Amino acid sequence: GAVVSQHPSWVICKSGTSVKIECRSLDFQATTMFWYRQFPKQSLMLMATSNEGSKATYEQGVEKDKFLINHASLTLSTLTVTSAHPEDSSFYICSARFFDGYNEQFFGPGTRLTVL
Amino acid sequence: AQKVTQAQTEISVVEKEDVTLDCVYETRDTTYYLFWYKQPPSGELVFLIRRNSFDEQNEISGRYSWNFQKSTSSFNFTITASQVVDSAVYFCALSGEDDKIIFGKGTRLHILP
Repeated sequence: GAVVSQHPSWVICKSGTSVKIECRSLDFQATTMFWYRQFPKQSLMLMATSNEGSKATYEQGVEKDKFLINHASLTLSTLTVTSAHPEDSSFYICSARFFDGYNEQFFGPGTRLTVL
Repeated sequence: AQKVTQAQTEISVVEKEDVTLDCVYETRDTTYYLFWYKQPPSGELVFLIRRNSFDEQNEISGRYSWNFQKSTSSFNFTITASQVVDSAVYFCALSGEDDKIIFGKGTRLHILP
């Protein structure tokens, strides 16, 4: 099956710093990638949809200036959490869409962000 | 608006018992997909099944089975002869014509030895 990787798998940073998370589709081209956030013991919430070569579309309530998304190539999307604060601590998961007519989405292993 | 409801927040059963996880969905789309994912403590989502709205056939895969009923907007998941390794959080999810996947709140399943 298709593989999606995320880097780093976990990161700890100080409040006020920015953190970049990478999402890569390793063996297929993904025109669309999705970013989710999951707080402890809660569900996955879609943050934004990222299309290669165009601006990301953010879900209601998600600050686009805080969560910068760049989908520079068909295999890479990045999420940058700017000026991170403790309330941004969460599990961030990306998925990459492989269009085979069935809206197949493959999920990355997730990145655990802890902001001190 | 699309919605997925997993009414069971947490379930505990003794190993070898059968357990059914309930999922009810809402959508106005004619074409949609339903999913089940498993999330073990590591956090990585494990894909279990995808079913499109035109395929109401039930599915069995080993000890896992799924019952899709459009009449009741339900897509329930049964584990037969449960094992300790089945302990995890299970998410039911829905994807409509906008291609976004909406997740239910999840059911935390504990299989007791």
